[in-house]
Amino acid sequence: AQSVTQLDSQVPVFEEAPVELRCNYSSSVSVYLFWYVQYPNQGLQLLLKYLSGSTLVKSINGFEAEFNKSQTSFHLRKPSVHISDTAEYFCAVSPNTGGFKTIFGAGTRLFVKA
Amino acid sequence: DTEVTQTPKHLVMGMTNKKSLKCEQHMGHRAMYWYKQKAKKPPELMFVYSYEKLSINESVPSRFSPECPNSSLLNLHLHALQPEDSALYLCASSRDGTNSPLHFGNGTRLTVT
Repeated sequence: AQSVTQLDSQVPVFEEAPVELRCNYSSSVSVYLFWYVQYPNQGLQLLLKYLSGSTLVKSINGFEAEFNKSQTSFHLRKPSVHISDTAEYFCAVSPNTGGFKTIFGAGTRLFVKA
Repeated sequence: DTEVTQTPKHLVMGMTNKKSLKCEQHMGHRAMYWYKQKAKKPPELMFVYSYEKLSINESVPSRFSPECPNSSLLNLHLHALQPEDSALYLCASSRDGTNSPLHFGNGTRLTVT
């Protein structure tokens, strides 16, 4: 079985400041890792994914996440946030053994202040 | 713009009503999902269809009845719901299993009165 822990329920940050949203997971098998973002009144959108290969993955809008197998972490970072980054961010894992179940963390609310 | 389309966007229904939620995708994805999301919570898996066959039912009450008429369409039929069923219902699709990411629609906001 897998589980995901997002260590912060809310992260307030000023515009143009750096931010890190933390995610740790637990699994008895190897996993795929994802970050999804949910803006108000919308569904979830894929932000980043790690399936294999380079442990540092980047999105087109400046976010990046690094898979750390020894620490079982997949923290999300951005060096300079914008007001428009205000949203709910969900870390998720799924087993690489197949199937259809994705396990979501509880979510972190990123609130960017002017 | 989302590639998974859900209708209606909002739905208010009484506990004796029958209604349906609809979901459509044209990405050629073979897996389709229904999730339920309560406020300030992550999505909870309800059903998964793979190649138009029901693959997973997460012990969902029978007042929720899924249907997959073809590879592009997914319905969720609702009957005799309770107020605690009020939530955002999200449809998602994926190319295949867990090695491909989920593509979500914008959801149907359901209120049961």
